[in-house]
Amino acid sequence: SQQGEEDPQALSIQEGENATMNCSYKTSINNLQWYRQNSGRGLVHLILIRSNEREKHSGRLRVTLDTSKKSSSLLITASRAADTASYFCATQSFQGAQKLVFGQGTRLTINP
Amino acid sequence: DTGVSQNPRHKITKRGQNVTFRCDPISEHNRLYWYRQTLGQGPEFLTYFQNEAQLEKSRLLSDRFSAERPKGSFSTLEIQRTEQGDSAMYLCASSLATSGANVLTFGAGSRLTVL
Repeated sequence: SQQGEEDPQALSIQEGENATMNCSYKTSINNLQWYRQNSGRGLVHLILIRSNEREKHSGRLRVTLDTSKKSSSLLITASRAADTASYFCATQSFQGAQKLVFGQGTRLTINP
Repeated sequence: DTGVSQNPRHKITKRGQNVTFRCDPISEHNRLYWYRQTLGQGPEFLTYFQNEAQLEKSRLLSDRFSAERPKGSFSTLEIQRTEQGDSAMYLCASSLATSGANVLTFGAGSRLTVL
């Protein structure tokens, strides 16, 4: 079963606007990662935030993590048409398991 | 190195047939993962290997599914007696074992359609 719940399931915005996606999870984590998937393709790693971090930036991406609420958000600033994709959060637990558990994803559409 | 390679990219089969997918990971990566993804859903974990050892299997992996990584390099995922519910994208990913975070590099996937 999947641990993450993502919100919204779908998001459609105009080019240049900011896009915010949220992820909630259920168990304690070592880290949380965001991946992007273009239609019919594999996933690409975007950014990782560790459990002792609260915010991380990478280019136009900003990730926050609130371990007390077991939630994370991904902000994409100044969106571009090429950002159109599905975005997934994935969690890695402390419990010795090395797998990542993925959420159901947010489908983002950027309208030119 | 060209990343994680999966073959075939597409497979259409009739119910009851066996299918096999192959994954070639990044050469220096010692961990290899198989996930399954259905339309509109996130990837679901199936199994993973560290070198040639299969260390974890999901309950999703019924006895019709078997995965191998015989020499700790490429891996195969075989589905026997396929059912229509097996139709999905099968994703392979690899990573380099470290003491900390585990970042996966995914292949493009193998799409299975069972008629």
